[in-house]
Amino acid sequence: DGGITQSPKYLFRKEGQNVTLSCEQNLNHDAMYWYRQDPGQGLRLIYYSQIVNDFQKGDIAEGYSVSREKKESFPLTVTSAQKNPTEFYLCAFSIASGDEQYFGPGTRLTVT
Amino acid sequence: AQSVAQPEDQVNVAEGNPLTVKCTYSVSGNPYLFWYVQYPNRGLQFLLKYITGDNLVKGSYGFEAEFNKSQTSFHLKKPSALVSDSALYFCAVRDEGGATNKLIFGTGTLLAVQP
Repeated sequence: DGGITQSPKYLFRKEGQNVTLSCEQNLNHDAMYWYRQDPGQGLRLIYYSQIVNDFQKGDIAEGYSVSREKKESFPLTVTSAQKNPTEFYLCAFSIASGDEQYFGPGTRLTVT
Repeated sequence: AQSVAQPEDQVNVAEGNPLTVKCTYSVSGNPYLFWYVQYPNRGLQFLLKYITGDNLVKGSYGFEAEFNKSQTSFHLKKPSALVSDSALYFCAVRDEGGATNKLIFGTGTLLAVQP
């Protein structure tokens, strides 16, 4: 898994329901990121965290919340209506400044 | 503001032929550039990066990329394409704002290799 896991792989959500996506890394890295991947638009940053108990909004943070209570965990909660019926969420970590990010396998979230 | 552009939504190539996936960038300082590959319903896999040094960067699975400062390009190349190379490819540049590793991604190019 490359040191980072996301669960569940598929998640179903009713309109108005909040859901939480899990992201865990076991390599003791500080920086973690959440992206949403939309067809034809690439990846857009939702939130990121450089250290425990600190996180910053990305480009599309509205409708989402995060926490970083432990270094290895960075859960994302979807709190408002999705733009699309199905969305793909990716979590990542990076090792050090200037270095590449490593991604989890993703969670596909569908509104039912 | 910094950005990357991938001008082709899809690239078609026959197996065994060389392939090129194009990327151009716009930054005010020195660019940190990356290529990723994504197979269906999977996360992104890191292929290679350019930070400094040689303009030709070698990466995973036989891929390489050429950094061209005058043309502000960072095209991904492979001498001989395989059917298994068919996937979605993303170019990315590091966000210059602040001391973070935020990446800005292109919109992706779908590579289709025909047998």
